[in-house]
Amino acid sequence: SQKIEQNSEALNIQEGKTATLTCNYTNYSPAYLQWYRQDPGRGPVFLLLIRENEKEKRKERLKVTFDTTLKQSLFHITASQPADSATYLCALSVDTGRRALTFGSGTRLQVQP
Amino acid sequence: EAQVTQNPRYLITVTGKKLTVTCSQNMNHEYMSWYRQDPGLGLRQIYYSMNVEVTDKGDVPEGYKVSRKEKRNFPLILESPSPNQTSLYFCASSVYEQYFGPGTRLTVT
Repeated sequence: SQKIEQNSEALNIQEGKTATLTCNYTNYSPAYLQWYRQDPGRGPVFLLLIRENEKEKRKERLKVTFDTTLKQSLFHITASQPADSATYLCALSVDTGRRALTFGSGTRLQVQP
Repeated sequence: EAQVTQNPRYLITVTGKKLTVTCSQNMNHEYMSWYRQDPGLGLRQIYYSMNVEVTDKGDVPEGYKVSRKEKRNFPLILESPSPNQTSLYFCASSVYEQYFGPGTRLTVT
């Protein structure tokens, strides 16, 4: 069956360090992959989209890589700040027509001052 | 301001009492969808709509209905709510990236 795995354990890092979150998937051939941020009790907020033919995407302090051979995406936040503390969700789409996303359960990031 | 709105934000109801959660977007998006979010299960798609009068089931459609009579609105209907539908619900609209509403926390007793 299709599966998306994100580390369910919280990631705790010190302010200023780089946070790296992992998204692994099995039995998918995604057309694109997205990362979202979610704060408690609020709706997810879109951060970055990377397509299957792209290796890397950057936006300000954020970087996403996409390795379709390893079936893995890495999400990096450089120079992390306490305000980056949130849950980060990975989502895949295999059907550009339907545009449906399948979400991972998310990884909680805690940045300590 | 581009946004997705949902109402109500919080709802406590009893088993079997029909309810509707409204969703509206002002971005002229064709694609809209409904998700529920439960601890440990993540976000799961209930229904989606690719355009007016075009709707289809997502991964967990049982017990829900939707309609899409206008492009901006996509209400979620629970004809006979049950306690296992207690959850946090999100509406979203999209081109490719999805814009989520603020969520509706539903409790069915």
